[in-house]
Amino acid sequence: ETGVTQTPRHLVMGMTNKKSLKCEQHLGHNAMYWYKQSAKKPLELMFVYNFKEQTENNSVPSRFSPECPNSSHLFLHLHTLQPEDSALYLCASTEAGEGTEAFFGQGTRLTVV
Amino acid sequence: SQQGEEDPQALSIQEGENATMNCSYKTSINNLQWYRQNSGRGLVHLILIRSNEREKHSGRLRVTLDTSKKSSSLLITASRAADTASYFCATDAGTYKYIFGTGTRLKVLA
Repeated sequence: ETGVTQTPRHLVMGMTNKKSLKCEQHLGHNAMYWYKQSAKKPLELMFVYNFKEQTENNSVPSRFSPECPNSSHLFLHLHTLQPEDSALYLCASTEAGEGTEAFFGQGTRLTVV
Repeated sequence: SQQGEEDPQALSIQEGENATMNCSYKTSINNLQWYRQNSGRGLVHLILIRSNEREKHSGRLRVTLDTSKKSSSLLITASRAADTASYFCATDAGTYKYIFGTGTRLKVLA
């Protein structure tokens, strides 16, 4: 248990569906991240929020829409996804400052059919 | 883009042996971290080494950093079956930006 909780753990959705992934941390961290992990590829940094402000959008398609209502919660809203979007989506959080350890959630295994 | 590249991609050893995996990166860094991931789960932080450090130890882990070669190595001594996992290095590409490589899949045979 890392203190970062992701729900759901598994999600199967059709290409026309709309769903949301949720991430929650109560570690007092100020930065939260979404990563995508596909087979045989590096972890792809998708979005970074620092003090609820988005500071990084790594050329992610608009069918992925992040939301950070407060420093403890992070959402990833999904709509009209493609089969190639199937992957493990990982949320992480860190304290403010340089060289801090990232705490990861267990991930959401997403399958787009 | 700045990225850690781990080598080898896969490693299979017998229990009790040492496991060494390497990471190379492209640009200057402030620190480098190693993480472990059990199959289909989240990553867990193992150790951080700063750019002004050359070697660091934590239990059975030993990490080295050679900034002139832009490389790092992770040594796991006296490996156990429970060490079976994927290992990733992560470099900082600016504040709040951690870039991971593809990882080394380690299998420790009992």
